[in-house]
This record gives sequence, C-alpha cells and structure tokens, in this order.
Amino acid sequence: DAGVIQSPRHEVTEMGQEVTLRCKPISGHDYLFWYRQTMMRGLELLIYFNNNVPIDDSGMPEDRFSAKMPNASFSNLKIQPSEPRDSAVYFCASSSGELGYEQYFGPGTRLTVT
Amino acid sequence: AQSVTQPDIHITVSEGASLELRCNYSYGATPYLFWYVQSPGQGLQLLLKYFSGDTLVQGIKGFEAEFKRSQSSFNLRKPSVHWSDAAEYFCAVGLGGATNKLIFGTGTLLAVQP
Repeated sequence: DAGVIQSPRHEVTEMGQEVTLRCKPISGHDYLFWYRQTMMRGLELLIYFNNNVPIDDSGMPEDRFSAKMPNASFSNLKIQPSEPRDSAVYFCASSSGELGYEQYFGPGTRLTVT
Repeated sequence: AQSVTQPDIHITVSEGASLELRCNYSYGATPYLFWYVQSPGQGLQLLLKYFSGDTLVQGIKGFEAEFKRSQSSFNLRKPSVHWSDAAEYFCAVGLGGATNKLIFGTGTLLAVQP
C-alpha cells in the first residue's frame, strides 16, 4: 500500500483565499483523522471520521474550517477564508478499528498564509 | 482526564551513547501505548506499540520500550544512538473503546552529537 497520501505538500496562499487540503487514507482503514501541528500548540486533533461519518469535530478551531469525507477513499479539509494564523502543517492519518489503534500518518501539507 | 507527559523537551546525546526518553501517562484503564518518530519535514512514523502481554516491546530501528504499570510509564530506549536518530519523538496513549483516538505528548526533540 502507498500509505496515506496528502496533497498538496506545500501551499502558499494569501489571506482571505479558500484553501483545500486533500487526503487519501490507507485502503481498508475505517478511521480518518485531521491534525494540525504548530510550534506553539504542538499536534492538535481537529476532526475525525469513522466510516465516512464525522464523529468529533470539537478540535476545529472556527467555522472557517470544514471537513468532509464523501467516500472511504477521500477526505478534504477546507479553510475559508484563510488567515495568517492558520499557517501550520496539516496531517491526515488513518487507522483500522479491527487491526488496532495505531494511526498511520501522511507526509503533511505545509500551509503558509501571507 | 487522560494525558501524556514527556518531561524532556530537548535531549542531546553523543553518537553511540545509550538513550532513554521518558513518557508518563494518566489513564484509568489498561492503556494502549505508542511511540512515534518525526524526522524534519516528515509525518509521524510508528516506532512501536504496547497493547498487552510482554511489557518489553521491540520496535523498528533498534528501539524498545518498557511498560511499567506501577509507574504509569512507557519509556523508550535504544542502546546505541546513530546520527540518523535525530528527530522528534512522540509518546501517545490510545483511548480505546470505539474512538480510536490517540492522546499525544508534547514531544521530545533529540539531537545527536558526533
């Protein structure tokens, strides 16, 4: 398996623009997690899905953030409008409820909002 | 509430020296415990995990960790550090049940001196 795939790897955008981050989980995994990592706040869980259904979005910082998982092979995280304080590395991870609790992380998307 | 503490923010060791990274957790039930490593610009990679059974678990890259229930600890060790081990290390506890969520520590940054 190719592992968790994220795109783009780097995104630079101007404040106010919409940003879309994409994730393809490992085939067969039924949990998908979105994290944000910054120097100041460390690794934060934003939202997670089970069988494509959002289970806990309490970590989503504001209404400007939204995430969807239309099918088992794809999820996206949108920020609209983006702000400089959204600059961070965003990770997607997936896991299998049957195989154990370990999560497998993608390489991340480094977002810079100017 | 569940929590994970990594008391050492930054550690420097000489190449060839032994290494121990500390991790303490707070969790009411039998924990699922993990160590992840993050190299610069990369995602988190699973080093090893403890679910049950033998309290000394072996992982990749020559790492091992020991679960000590009486001390609520899960320390990571390596007998001889290589320069390529320089990275950030994260301890995590799995909440179990149906959530598959992980609670991460704040990480320990390891520097390796030649």
